[in-house]
Amino acid sequence: SYEVTQSLSVSVALGQTATITCGGNNIVSVDVHWYQQKPGQAPVLVIYRDNNRPSGIPERFSGSNSGNTATLTISRAQAGDEADYFCQVWDSTTYVFGTGTQVTVL
Amino acid sequence: EVQLVQSGGEVKKPGESLNISCEGSGYRFSSYWIAWVRQRPGKGREWMGIIYPADSDTRYSPSFQGHVTISVDKSISTAYLQWSRLEASDTAMYYCARLWNTAIRAFDFWGQGTMVTVSS
Repeated sequence: SYEVTQSLSVSVALGQTATITCGGNNIVSVDVHWYQQKPGQAPVLVIYRDNNRPSGIPERFSGSNSGNTATLTISRAQAGDEADYFCQVWDSTTYVFGTGTQVTVL
Repeated sequence: EVQLVQSGGEVKKPGESLNISCEGSGYRFSSYWIAWVRQRPGKGREWMGIIYPADSDTRYSPSFQGHVTISVDKSISTAYLQWSRLEASDTAMYYCARLWNTAIRAFDFWGQGTMVTVSS
């Protein structure tokens, strides 16, 4: 089955830009969705179909997908953005999740 | 407001059976697929299966087929995840999630999670 990989952790200074990647073979050929999960809370969808924000998600969250890498970008990072971020794709038979990237705001 | 509310945490012994639930509210429950997702301690998330409440059409991940049963009672807007014989390796947090639709294939709402601990 399809596999996606994420780095374990990312640190970002307050107010700077965090970049989280999701790698997979020709991942540009599938839709990539991104979720944010804070400790003790349910996951929240922050980006769908590579670069679309659901209602209520700040414009600081953006996404892109090219080649073998999809990217979630958090601009002007805030303390409240500290969370586990994971990607998800549909490979035509199964739903596949990334392992998650812990984002720390310094 | 769309909500998925899961049943509380469980502590069980190996070999015991278990049934956990996920109640949907704030939307037409029958019209949206409900998935179950496992997250073992310190590990990533794994899709287990998905059910369509309107007709109980169910699909399983090959990794979970035969080990769990997914069901639904649409009359009370509740989906279930069932084990007939738990194993220690089933210790995990389990989430239900609503599939936005079959075109987008993203999960737009999630339950709060149910922690299942299996230990002798």
